[in-house]
Amino acid sequence: EPEVTQTPSHQVTQMGQEVILRCVPISNHLYFYWYRQILGQKVEFLVSFYNNEISEKSEIFDDQFSVERPDGSNFTLKIRSTKLEDSAMYFCASSRTSGGVWQETQYFGPGTRLLVL
Amino acid sequence: AQSVAQPEDQVNVAEGNPLTVKCTYSVSGNPYLFWYVQYPNRGLQFLLKYITGDNLVKGSYGFEAEFNKSQTSFHLKKPSALVSDSALYFCAVTAGLSGGYQKVTFGTGTKLQVIP
Repeated sequence: EPEVTQTPSHQVTQMGQEVILRCVPISNHLYFYWYRQILGQKVEFLVSFYNNEISEKSEIFDDQFSVERPDGSNFTLKIRSTKLEDSAMYFCASSRTSGGVWQETQYFGPGTRLLVL
Repeated sequence: AQSVAQPEDQVNVAEGNPLTVKCTYSVSGNPYLFWYVQYPNRGLQFLLKYITGDNLVKGSYGFEAEFNKSQTSFHLKKPSALVSDSALYFCAVTAGLSGGYQKVTFGTGTKLQVIP
């Protein structure tokens, strides 16, 4: 069964450093998402991406964040200058279309645990 | 704005007993409702969804959920709990509007502990 994959599984970085989190969505999916989950808290939406542009972003997704689909398979989340409060589990998700219509079920990757020191 | 409430931080149930994990929602328009499960150090695994049709939906691993429009609830149920069901369960909602993508909003999660 196709799965969303994410690399790395864990990332430790120093405050102020740039990090890039990588995701490979399910191959026939066209909608892509990033969520984060701070330890012990709920899953929070960050951004959605379709047709090479951002569809929607939350208030968390400020100028320090960016997303990109650099090729036909990868979907990345970049944090330009990490802060302590960026420490969280970051989940990538994807969903497909059927007949050109967005399908509602999002399939999640295993996550990248980011620790900012 | 859409929201999800999971009133119980933790639910404890004895193995073999029925379990219920509660969820209520608020959304403009028709709700699309989901349950996801998260095992320790793992991602979110899709369990089931309600889009339209029969109010009782069946999902993976013997789980089912009942949509109740009047009570704006979507409680997760299983007739006989297994120790392996112990995990964190998230309810989620999006607005079933036509025209494409809608953001999914998650609840705070309920930890299910099945006691042998």
